[in-house]
Amino acid sequence: GENVEQHPSTLSVQEGDSAVIKCTYSDSASNYFPWYKQELGKRPQLIIDIRSNVGEKKDQRIAVTLNKTAKHFSLHITETQPEDSAVYFCAASLGGGGADGLTFGKGTHLIIQP
Amino acid sequence: DVKVTQSSRYLVKRTGEKVFLECVQDMDHENMFWYRQDPGLGLRLIYFSYDVKMKEKGDIPEGYSVSREKKERFSLILESASTNQTSMYLCASIGQGRNEQYFGPGTRLTVT
Repeated sequence: GENVEQHPSTLSVQEGDSAVIKCTYSDSASNYFPWYKQELGKRPQLIIDIRSNVGEKKDQRIAVTLNKTAKHFSLHITETQPEDSAVYFCAASLGGGGADGLTFGKGTHLIIQP
Repeated sequence: DVKVTQSSRYLVKRTGEKVFLECVQDMDHENMFWYRQDPGLGLRLIYFSYDVKMKEKGDIPEGYSVSREKKERFSLILESASTNQTSMYLCASIGQGRNEQYFGPGTRLTVT
């Protein structure tokens, strides 16, 4: 089955700086790559996603890039703010849009230092 | 607004007990999922369902079963709870042709 590796496990950045979280996947047939944010004590929520026919997608301060050849994708957060502090999970799916379930990375705890 | 609810936020059971975790969604979603979340391991898919009475094994189905008798309800069953099943259990659902999986608040199960 699919295997998703996520790095780093913890990332501490100064407020206003950029943060980058990287993931690799093993199954070249995976075609959907979402990113979920989980605040302490809350449920995971989708923040951005990308399909395999697109190389980059941006939504305000967050962006995701995908390199299908290398089988890796990354989350970029610019101008970080205190409310960005959370655990971020990348995921991959063989099914369209995650309908067959998602394989998650182990998570990155992002800490925004004031 | 999509709402996914789970029957309990916290549950304590004894080893060997049969445990039912219930999940209900109110958006007429076809697909529903059960994950467990453990520190340092992320979320792992246990079972999912495409439709009523349909079920598919995820990555870690051992020791679990599921039931989907109605479209809005998906139950996770631990036939004989063990201490290694102590975890946070998250239910999720997704509509046909949609992308975002909507998660419930989670049930923190402790097996003693």
